[in-house]
Amino acid sequence: QKEVEQDPGPLSVPEGAIVSLNCTYSNSAFQYFMWYRQYSRKGPELLMYTYSSGNKEDGRFTAQVDKSSKYISLFIRDSQPSDSATYLCAMLASGSRLTFGEGTQLTVNP
Amino acid sequence: ETGVTQTPRHLVMGMTNKKSLKCEQHLGHNAMYWYKQSAKKPLELMFVYNFKEQTENNSVPSRFSPECPNSSHLFLHLHTLQPEDSALYLCASSQQTGEGYTFGSGTRLTVV
Repeated sequence: QKEVEQDPGPLSVPEGAIVSLNCTYSNSAFQYFMWYRQYSRKGPELLMYTYSSGNKEDGRFTAQVDKSSKYISLFIRDSQPSDSATYLCAMLASGSRLTFGEGTQLTVNP
Repeated sequence: ETGVTQTPRHLVMGMTNKKSLKCEQHLGHNAMYWYKQSAKKPLELMFVYNFKEQTENNSVPSRFSPECPNSSHLFLHLHTLQPEDSALYLCASSQQTGEGYTFGSGTRLTVV
């Protein structure tokens, strides 16, 4: 069983839609949860960083962590064509190294 | 720019060639990483360096040889590669191991 499971998609939505991206994990030691965005021909860039359970909002993006269910989500409101990218969840235990999901490829159509 | 610079951006090499990938970070970070990214696979960690010392080698074949002369520079020396080694090679850095990473744009490697 993979430590981190992420649906690879691809996911295609119309502009303005609400997008939900999800990951599940098995390691209960994970404490820090991140979402990276990777545009084509670029490296991943950190989008959201959360610690423990709860919600964190940044503009159109909301990261949600449910440690009891070992489930994290990234919501994108009013999605734009510029949001088209691959989104990777990542998580780590204290002092350890990042473990990444496979990435979900998102296309927002104008 | 992210503060992590990788060169070259693209590299095509034959199976008998020797080449090197370079990574430089201007963030004052102490940890540096090499990752391999292949299509439809999760990021694969290859090597971890912390304060110039290698702390992790994730069962990487010896045809990949890392070098970290100081905390700002990281190299990946390549020799006698196979076509299946074709991938995007990403360098990343963090203030310490166990924190979020900053990635470079990667080197797209094609082995012919």
